[in-house]
Amino acid sequence: DAGVIQSPRHEVTEMGQEVTLRCKPISGHDYLFWYRQTMMRGLELLIYFNNNVPIDDSGMPEDRFSAKMPNASFSTLKIQPSEPRDSAVYFCASTLDLNQPQHFGDGTRLSIL
Amino acid sequence: GQQLNQSPQSMFIQEGEDVSMNCTSSSIFNTWLWYKQDPGEGPVLLIALYKAGELTSNGRLTAQFGITRKDSFLNISASIPSDVGIYFCAGRSNYQLIWGAGTKLIIKP
Repeated sequence: DAGVIQSPRHEVTEMGQEVTLRCKPISGHDYLFWYRQTMMRGLELLIYFNNNVPIDDSGMPEDRFSAKMPNASFSTLKIQPSEPRDSAVYFCASTLDLNQPQHFGDGTRLSIL
Repeated sequence: GQQLNQSPQSMFIQEGEDVSMNCTSSSIFNTWLWYKQDPGEGPVLLIALYKAGELTSNGRLTAQFGITRKDSFLNISASIPSDVGIYFCAGRSNYQLIWGAGTKLIIKP
């Protein structure tokens, strides 16, 4: 079975550039989550969707971050303009419902120079 | 807000040793999850616990849901080199998932 698929696996770009991270959840999962992982703050929930609708975006750090889920099999996390402090590993996860464990992708390692 | 205290932060062990780590909170949770993260990969679920007092095993791993619902423990018996990685606990209450900071397991050569 295909797991959660994220792309790209690595992204290196200069500050000020727009960055788009992509995620394909497990088929049939109604919930999709975006996390950020850093050494300093660990794993932070940024936003999650239910049936393509954003439910809780209180973890999104600022207006430079936006996330969309145009359909059940695709979501994007966009940072515009990017800053060096955005450097982190960004994970996407999905689950069937909130009572079930989340399944994670392998993440996108983002470096902003 | 709710917080989880996961300890220890890191562990240096010899191959073959048993390992114990735990998560505690002042809040009550109705689910505890234990994940493992290998370098360059996402966290992978090891064990899920749904009832207070529940003791569940997955091979050499055993996890317990504390009777007070405020803590959980993970034990690894007879550690092997592939056990290295970061172990995360996560507690769920009211559909919100709270994550521990992780325990990094390092096997001494």
